[in-house]
Amino acid sequence: KAGVTQTPRYLIKTRGQQVTLSCSPISGHRSVSWYQQTPGQGLQFLFEYFSETQRNKGNFPGRFSGRQFSNSRSEMNVSTLELGDSALYLCASSFLDKTEAFFGQGTRLTVV
Amino acid sequence: AQSVTQLDSHVSVSEGTPVLLRCNYSSSYSPSLFWYVQHPNKGLQLLLKYTSAATLVKGINGFEAEFKKSETSFHLTKPSAHMSDAAEYFCVASYSSASKIIFGSGTRLSIRP
Repeated sequence: KAGVTQTPRYLIKTRGQQVTLSCSPISGHRSVSWYQQTPGQGLQFLFEYFSETQRNKGNFPGRFSGRQFSNSRSEMNVSTLELGDSALYLCASSFLDKTEAFFGQGTRLTVV
Repeated sequence: AQSVTQLDSHVSVSEGTPVLLRCNYSSSYSPSLFWYVQHPNKGLQLLLKYTSAATLVKGINGFEAEFKKSETSFHLTKPSAHMSDAAEYFCVASYSSASKIIFGSGTRLSIRP
């Protein structure tokens, strides 16, 4: 079956703009999580959605938001982009809690 | 507090020699434990997982890991390194939900010809 699909793969935006990233989980997976990966901070948890509800949220400013649709696809939005938002954004889906998370290839966001 | 410590930020071995990537977890609860590999500009790929069954876990590409509760360790090993093993490796602990997924800081594995 198809893996986790993230679009777009690469994105360049300017400071102050906003961006929307998309994640399609593995079929049947209802939990979708988002992570930010940077060289300095490593992998940091952004938020998790389950059945269209945000279940958990990491320690990120309100500029970072997300949502999940009835088909479990999820979007992440970052408003008023800052240079420090440049990162690889990874999405992961899982079937149940404490089972393994399957990661997409990520969206590489560059803010200039 | 829950934490995952990868003791080496960088490991370099010669091709054909054994690989050891060290991971310790700290918790009052027994987590599920995973090793993921990330090749450059790629997402994370699951190598293996421990979920309170057998303590010696075999994964893909010849990797295995042993869960040692007394040492709170989950070290990753491979008998013979291959050039294609060069990548970043993450030890991950999962407690109750995705917000309780804790990543180690990663170990970059380099393979010398």
